[in-house]
Amino acid sequence: GQNIDQPTEMTATEGAIVQINCTYQTSGFNGLFWYQQHAGEAPTFLSYNVLDGLEEKGRFSSFLSRSKGYSYLLLKELQMKDSASYLCAVSPAYTNAGKSTFGDGTTLTVKP
Amino acid sequence: DVKVTQSSRYLVKRTGEKVFLECVQDMDHENMFWYRQDPGLGLRLIYFSYDVKMKEKGDIPEGYSVSREKKERFSLILESASTNQTSMYLCASSSLGDSPLHFGNGTRLTVT
Repeated sequence: GQNIDQPTEMTATEGAIVQINCTYQTSGFNGLFWYQQHAGEAPTFLSYNVLDGLEEKGRFSSFLSRSKGYSYLLLKELQMKDSASYLCAVSPAYTNAGKSTFGDGTTLTVKP
Repeated sequence: DVKVTQSSRYLVKRTGEKVFLECVQDMDHENMFWYRQDPGLGLRLIYFSYDVKMKEKGDIPEGYSVSREKKERFSLILESASTNQTSMYLCASSSLGDSPLHFGNGTRLTVT
């Protein structure tokens, strides 16, 4: 099975940098997704890491260490619209990515 | 852009009623999924389908069934609604392999 941990809540200031961590313990692993979910809206895809290392996509970057069972999402130059829940999801090996196991999400509040 | 449409944003049903939640996607995706999202429990997979008329149980299928008669449509059925099925229900679709999920806006179901 899968066990995923991420902080419940974080607060940061507009313009700052914030790192949201995700640790996982899994019996099989293919890759790790990050999704963003604004209140009352659908989750939307942010990133997918399969290999170790950092992947950068504009203001957002995602890091993966397979050996440590660890990932983080880095948000730079924070904006008010980045206030949302961030979901980490582990994609299991040898099966469909839709069978990913999701963490409970980290609610990020960006303050002026 | 992929569009996943859920027929209702809000539903209120009585205990014992049969409830149908409908989901339609417009991108010819093979895979479709039903999740429920509850505070503190994250997103949990109820059922998924990888082809027309094919279905597979997720992590919490009890009390639910599904139907996929056409590729673009995936229905979730609560045979006899109970109060513990009060939740946010999210439909998602994806193409083959390790593709990210595209979610609908969700249906908030209240069973009284």
